[in-house]
Amino acid sequence: GAVVSQHPSRVICKSGTSVKIECRSLDFQATTMFWYRQFPKKSLMLMATSNEGSKATYEQGVEKDKFLINHASLTLSTLTVTSAHPEDSSFYICSAREAGAGQETQYFGPGTRLLVL
Amino acid sequence: DQQVKQNSPSLSVQEGRISILNCDYTNSMFDYFLWYKKYPAEGPTFLISISSIKDKNEDGRFTVFLNKSAKHLSLHIVPSQPGDSAVYFCAGTQGGSEKLVFGKGTKLTVNP
Repeated sequence: GAVVSQHPSRVICKSGTSVKIECRSLDFQATTMFWYRQFPKKSLMLMATSNEGSKATYEQGVEKDKFLINHASLTLSTLTVTSAHPEDSSFYICSAREAGAGQETQYFGPGTRLLVL
Repeated sequence: DQQVKQNSPSLSVQEGRISILNCDYTNSMFDYFLWYKKYPAEGPTFLISISSIKDKNEDGRFTVFLNKSAKHLSLHIVPSQPGDSAVYFCAGTQGGSEKLVFGKGTKLTVNP
């Protein structure tokens, strides 16, 4: 199946710093990428949908100025957590969908564990 | 408001027996449901789906049942194998939307 990678897999940072997470589709072109967040014992929550070359669409309650999403190419999307605070500590996971693919063909990355001290 | 609920955080079954994972939803607009399996340190992978026009979909050892009147679906795995041990997420979506709404997941352990 299609492969989606995320980097880094784990990051620890100080409060106030910014952290960038990369999501790459390795063997297909992803016109749409999704960013999710999962808190402990909670479900995966969609944060935003990004389409290549256009601005991301954020879900209600997600601060677009805090979670900057860039989808500059068909194989790469980045999520930058700006001025991170301890409450931003979470598991961030991306998924990618190939152009014209069905709903079930969202391929997920392995996730990034963010810990803000 | 949790639109997709998986009320059992964990389930343990013996190898060879049936595993039944349950999922309830509250959004009556959902018309397509998916099950994903997730191993530790990996992303969720698609397992099986069902459209609301059906009440059953089968793929090998995996069968998903949908009861629209009860807003309930279940995933049956038979026979269960130790390699099926993972976290299973149920997700719903509506009208061709790309947005998936996930449950919290159920951790299945299949004991040899």
